Amino acid sequence: GDSVTQTEGLVTLTEGLPVMLNCTYQTIYSNPFLFWYVQHLNESPRLLLKSFTDNKRTEHQGFHATLHKSSSSFHLQKSSAQLSDSALYYCALRGEEGSSGNKLIFGIGTLLSVKP
Amino acid sequence: GPKVLQIPSHQIIDMGQMVTLNCDPVSNHLYFYWYKQILGQQMEFLVNFYNGKVMEKSKLFKDQFSVERPDGSYFTLKIQPTALEDSAVYFCASSLARNTEVFFGKGTRLTVV
Repeated sequence: GDSVTQTEGLVTLTEGLPVMLNCTYQTIYSNPFLFWYVQHLNESPRLLLKSFTDNKRTEHQGFHATLHKSSSSFHLQKSSAQLSDSALYYCALRGEEGSSGNKLIFGIGTLLSVKP
Repeated sequence: GPKVLQIPSHQIIDMGQMVTLNCDPVSNHLYFYWYKQILGQQMEFLVNFYNGKVMEKSKLFKDQFSVERPDGSYFTLKIQPTALEDSAVYFCASSLARNTEVFFGKGTRLTVV
């Protein structure tokens, strides 16, 4: 079945250094949607980025990701980490248009901790 | 932004008892979801609900689980009877349409003792 893999459980960085959080996926769908959700402490998970276009960079709030279907990856990057980026980041997958409902398949999440 | 509210944030219940988790979805949304997250594991889809009916459910949605949204009020997840393995954080979510952005609540931490 469909699955999402986030290999890092915890990433600790110094402020100002670049961020890269890994996400790979497996799916039966040819045109899946990929998402990054961010959850700050005591908050709800909220959508950060989404994409379904192969090899097209998508950006929001300083973060960016590119869906690469050839490697089934959707890594999240930022050029310079800020203290406020400390949060739990989830990568998620959804089937293509017309597939079952709006069911999201989540990765286990990566906790990003940014230190001064 | 749009908010999904979940009440309560924490609940402790004796095994075998019934529990109802309440969710106040975004006001004009039509699709509703429950996800379950066991400690240390990923969030997993339980069920989605539209127009008064369950549209899809996963194998985690046991016979002891039920959902409803009577008269446009809270969207509820009822577990009757509860089991120890039901201990988890339950996230409610909603979306305006079938394939639009999904908004999540903060979750209800359920502990079955």
